[in-house]
Amino acid sequence: AQKVTQAQTEISVVEKEDVTLDCVYETRDTTYYLFWYKQPPSGELVFLIRRNSFDEQNEISGRYSWNFQKSTSSFNFTITASQVVDSAVYFCALGGGATNKLIFGTGTLLAVQP
Amino acid sequence: DVKVTQSSRYLVKRTGEKVFLECVQDMDHENMFWYRQDPGLGLRLIYFSYDVKMKEKGDIPEGYSVSREKKERFSLILESASTNQTSMYLCASSLPSGLREQFFGPGTRLTVL
Repeated sequence: AQKVTQAQTEISVVEKEDVTLDCVYETRDTTYYLFWYKQPPSGELVFLIRRNSFDEQNEISGRYSWNFQKSTSSFNFTITASQVVDSAVYFCALGGGATNKLIFGTGTLLAVQP
Repeated sequence: DVKVTQSSRYLVKRTGEKVFLECVQDMDHENMFWYRQDPGLGLRLIYFSYDVKMKEKGDIPEGYSVSREKKERFSLILESASTNQTSMYLCASSLPSGLREQFFGPGTRLTVL
């Protein structure tokens, strides 16, 4: 069975701090995809990144970076120099197998204080 | 700009009412999804559709049904609303192959009294 665990329920940081959101997954599929989404207070989930299981290169996009490690089944997300606008719920998701379904983690609420 | 819209942001219904939640996407996507989001539980898939008139049950289909008569529109139906269906409902769409990213609507917060 597939599973995504986001053990951090809530994180609070002060602006300009770096913060890492953890994501651990379980799957028996050899080909799978991992995603991160951001849900700001407005409610709409915003797609951040999609990574397939064959690409373990880390990714950087501005202040955002992602560390994918198959050895530990983790796909962690780091925000560098956090800003108040980063305050949101962040979801990690896993997809694979014969369907187009995604399995979402329970989310991490990030609060960035000014 | 790609867009998924949902008919209502907030909805209040009474127990036993039949409730329709509508979702429309303008991206010509084959796949459409309905999720519910509850605190501490994340997003859980209710139903999805990979083509017109095609549907598959997700992880929590009980108490719900869906309709997809046109490619751009996917409706979620609560046949007889109950208080435990009070939740945030999110619709999403995606391209059909390779597990593409899903694009989400703004959500409908449904309260059943």
